[in-house]
Amino acid sequence: EDQVTQSPEALRLQEGESSSLNCSYTVSGLRGLFWYRQDPGKGPEFLFTLYSAGEEKEKERLKATLTKKESFLHITAPKPEDSATYLCAVQANDYKLSFGAGTTVTVRA
Amino acid sequence: NAGVTQTPKFRVLKTGQSMTLLCAQDMNHEYMYWYRQDPGMGLRLIHYSVGEGTTAKGEVPDGYNVSRLKKQNFLLGLESAAPSQTSVYFCASGSYNEQFFGPGTRLTVL
Repeated sequence: EDQVTQSPEALRLQEGESSSLNCSYTVSGLRGLFWYRQDPGKGPEFLFTLYSAGEEKEKERLKATLTKKESFLHITAPKPEDSATYLCAVQANDYKLSFGAGTTVTVRA
Repeated sequence: NAGVTQTPKFRVLKTGQSMTLLCAQDMNHEYMYWYRQDPGMGLRLIHYSVGEGTTAKGEVPDGYNVSRLKKQNFLLGLESAAPSQTSVYFCASGSYNEQFFGPGTRLTVL
C-alpha cells in the first residue's frame, strides 16, 4: 500500500526564518510527486510536480526537491502570507493519488 | 475557463437520505478524483477515474458510488447517508503533470 508521511505536523517560523518540510513516501511505481498549498476553508492549490530523483522546482520563496524516498519543500525567507498547510501527494502507476496529512506552517511578522 | 467546480457547496442531510455531488471540469483532463477531508485525517481518496466510463476504488469507498458518463463530469453518490459521512468533500481533476481541486462541498449528516 502506498504511504506518504509528512513532518513536522506543525511549524512556527519568524518572518525571514528559512526552513524545510519533509515528505517521505513508499509507492509501487512513482509517476509523480505533487506539492500543494491549502488555506483554511479552501481546496488545495497546486504548486509543483516532481518526477525523478534529483529534480528541483522553484516558485517564488518555495523550492521542492526529490530523492528516491523523500521530497523536501524549502521555504526561503518566509512572509506571513506563506502561512498555510502544505500537502504532499504521490501518484502511483495505477494513477491513484495518495496524500500525506500535511504540515501547517505559521509565519509570524 | 472555470477550472473545477463542485455542486452544491453546502448540504445538510438526515440519516438514510440520499444525494449526489457533482464535479465538473473544463480542462479536458482524463483523471478525476473524489476525496474526503476530516480534521486530523488529511485527504482520503474515495473513488477515482482514469477516463470516461471508468471508475476505481480508493482508500475509503464504502457507502459511496461514482459515475463518469461524460469526460467532464464525475458524480459521487451517497445512497443512504450516515453521520460518519459528515465531512468536506473535494473533487480534483488532472493530467500526468498537474492536478487541480474544486472548492469543496461541506456535508453534514444528522
